[in-house]
Parts: sequence; C-alpha cells; structure tokens
Amino acid sequence: IAGITQAPTSQILAAGRRMTLRCTQDMRHNAMYWYRQDLGLGLRLIHYSNTAGTTGKGEVPDGYSVSRANTDDFPLTLASAVPSQTSVYFCASRNRETDTQYFGPGTRLTVL
Amino acid sequence: GQNIDQPTEMTATEGAIVQINCTYQTSGFNGLFWYQQHAGEAPTFLSYNVLDGLEEKGRFSSFLSRSKGYSYLLLKELQMKDSASYLCAVLDSNYQLIWGAGTKLIIKP
Repeated sequence: IAGITQAPTSQILAAGRRMTLRCTQDMRHNAMYWYRQDLGLGLRLIHYSNTAGTTGKGEVPDGYSVSRANTDDFPLTLASAVPSQTSVYFCASRNRETDTQYFGPGTRLTVL
Repeated sequence: GQNIDQPTEMTATEGAIVQINCTYQTSGFNGLFWYQQHAGEAPTFLSYNVLDGLEEKGRFSSFLSRSKGYSYLLLKELQMKDSASYLCAVLDSNYQLIWGAGTKLIIKP
C-alpha cells in the first residue's frame, strides 16, 4: 500500500441497508477524516479522528458513525442508508508536520 | 459563520495565465491550502500559505494576504492537463480544513 486506500470504489445501495466504507492508510498519520463531496458544494467533514481511540463529529455527522481501533484504519458506517446520502466519500489523513491532508481515491455511493 | 468564496467556473486559453481568487472568513486561521481535483479523482495538494506573500512552485504560485482574508492561485503557461477544479481551503483554529466549493477551470486550445 502506498498512501490511502478506500473500498469499495463504488456501490449502489438500497435505502435502509447498512453499509461500511473502508479506509486504510500506511503513512502512520495520527489524524484522519471522512468527507462527502456533492456537486456545487465544498467538501464537508462528516467525522474525524485526531488519534487512534478518539473520534469527533464534523459538520454533517447525522446518519454516520466511525471508529478508530488503530492508526491505520478508519471505517465509516451508514446504519440505515437514505437517498440523501448519495455522494462521493473521501477519506483523508493529515501529516502533522506540514498539516497537509492526503486523500484516498474516493467511494461513489448511490442510495436508491 | 465560516465562509470561503471562489468563482464557480473560469475559462482560459492554452499557454496563457489565469488567476483564481479565494476570499475567506473563518474562526481562526492556521494557513490556506490549494488543491487540484481532476474530474472523478481525489483532491491533490498544490500549495500551502501561512505567511503573507507569494509562494512559487514551478508554473503555479499562490499568494496570501491575511489582513484582507484573500488568496489567489496563479497558473502560468497553461496546459490542457490543467483543466480541473481548484479547491481553496482554510485551516481553522481546530486544525480542520474549511473548504470552498471549488473553481472549475476550463482550458481551451
């Protein structure tokens, strides 16, 4: 692995179903983030984690949950998907020395 | 409230110069980032300004004026591959990024 990976690349999901988006980084960054990106809007922060074992809510956390059991993994779960959660989801991690965030390739999620 | 404004779309000609502006009002300021995002891809880091002035990196330069809440990204010698969205983001007092909606840059031959 080099950088951040996300899975799946894309998914079509029926409303009401549970879904977990996976994110793994190999850069040993402490801070990680989940964003959603919708047409015409900036990236919006869903949840973040400053270090393993801690998480926090971002701008749009409702309907989403996260966990951070270790440094490398930061999964995002939709407990009961709704059509408004149709979006592109990006995971990112932050280099503490430069404050630069690095992004995974994204997951395109469609909820029908 | 927190607000970052940048133009929705700009058009420029191959070989020319284009300046993309960004104005911001945020709770705290710990730096301003520019990212490039090609269609269907993830954002990639371009530049970071924390002090006033111009940072030059090859064909790309970024300028910051903290007193005016203003930044611009300058792209020189435009190439077709520069067609992308350019995202302005401010690192706020909690060290979280607040993002503008992005400027879609269209390069014409």
